[in-house]
Amino acid sequence: GENVEQHPSTLSVQEGDSAVIKCTYSDSASNYFPWYKQELGKRPQLIIDIRSNVGEKKDQRIAVTLNKTAKHFSLHITETQPEDSAVYFCAASRGGGADGLTFGKGTHLIIQP
Amino acid sequence: GAVVSQHPSWVICKSGTSVKIECRSLDFQATTMFWYRQFPKQSLMLMATSNEGSKATYEQGVEKDKFLINHASLTLSTLTVTSAHPEDSSFYICSPGGAGANVLTFGAGSRLTVL
Repeated sequence: GENVEQHPSTLSVQEGDSAVIKCTYSDSASNYFPWYKQELGKRPQLIIDIRSNVGEKKDQRIAVTLNKTAKHFSLHITETQPEDSAVYFCAASRGGGADGLTFGKGTHLIIQP
Repeated sequence: GAVVSQHPSWVICKSGTSVKIECRSLDFQATTMFWYRQFPKQSLMLMATSNEGSKATYEQGVEKDKFLINHASLTLSTLTVTSAHPEDSSFYICSPGGAGANVLTFGAGSRLTVL
């Protein structure tokens, strides 16, 4: 089955700086790669996703890049703000809504004021 | 993504009792429902996948006789934790899926504490 590795487990950055979280996956059939933000005690919230026919996607301060050959994808957050502090999870699936997600272990992002 | 209603949001029960968690897909015909479990400070792990009108498929290490899943309609799936024990204490989250589910969203989750 799919295996998703995520690094780092904790990331502390100064407010206004950029944060990068990296994930690798093992199943070459995976073609859907979402990123979720989870605040303490709450459900994961989708913040951005990318499909395998696209190399990069951007939504305001958040961007995701995908390298299918190397089987890795990354989340980039620019101009970080205190409200970006949370746990971020990457995930992978074969897409199509019929397959569940395999999650990375999560990154605790801490924005230092 | 689908609008999902999950209940109860939290439940405390005694060891040996059973607990039922409901997940409703309010605006999407969920032919598939994914059930995840999240232990404190850990990631989400897929427990089982249920398809409307058929038996659920369980991930390795998940006891099908302990975690009973019913998916009788396109809008409702239930997870029953039978004979719950303290080690079953966790955050259980549902996610509707199936054809047409381009984005996977989650229910609010059910926090189970077994005393």
